[in-house]
Amino acid sequence: DAKTTQPTSMDCAEGRAANLPCNHSTISGNEYVYWYRQIHSQGPQYIIHGLKNNETNEMASLIITEDRKSSTLILPHATLRDTAVYYCIVRAKNTGTASKLTFGTGTRLQVTL
Amino acid sequence: DTGVSQDPRHKITKRGQNVTFRCDPISEHNRLYWYRQTLGQGPEFLTYFQNEAQLEKSRLLSDRFSAERPKGSFSTLEIQRTEQGDSAMYLCASSLEMGTPRDTQYFGPGTRLTVL
Repeated sequence: DAKTTQPTSMDCAEGRAANLPCNHSTISGNEYVYWYRQIHSQGPQYIIHGLKNNETNEMASLIITEDRKSSTLILPHATLRDTAVYYCIVRAKNTGTASKLTFGTGTRLQVTL
Repeated sequence: DTGVSQDPRHKITKRGQNVTFRCDPISEHNRLYWYRQTLGQGPEFLTYFQNEAQLEKSRLLSDRFSAERPKGSFSTLEIQRTEQGDSAMYLCASSLEMGTPRDTQYFGPGTRLTVL
């Protein structure tokens, strides 16, 4: 699976959009981009995933660049409850055997009043 | 779906003791994964099952670790002769199908192990 690079930490004011970048310059054509988040002392929570088109669900939007070498997770109106570590993960579409997730250290998002 | 559940949520044990954790996946999910997470790090893959078959084990899974999923439903992770380095959060995840957009892993709350 391709490696991802994320900023270590970010701050966002409550009510504003939080834009979390991820670089995955070595991504291959059969690899999806997944986003999870982990609130302190809880298990990771699935947010969204995409292949090449932008995706939106009730939690967030995922914008993938045309060359697929980077993506941005957007939380449109961040709240204090969105304070968490956000992980960007690249994973093969058809893994054949293990579909394990390879986590990095993620981005620690702090939402403030 | 009731979500992935894990038991216990916290476990404190003395070095050298054996511990066992249980994971109940989302019903009808045929894949079950175990991960371990130490402080300040992201989760690391340990092993996974497709139904009752254990299909892959990480090199992190030493011979003191054993995992089972006897009937393809719940799974147990046992650590024998615990060491202080085993202190971590043990996470379980499950997913429905391989190689499709539905193969999304959903995690449980984890079991935090502290070895004294």
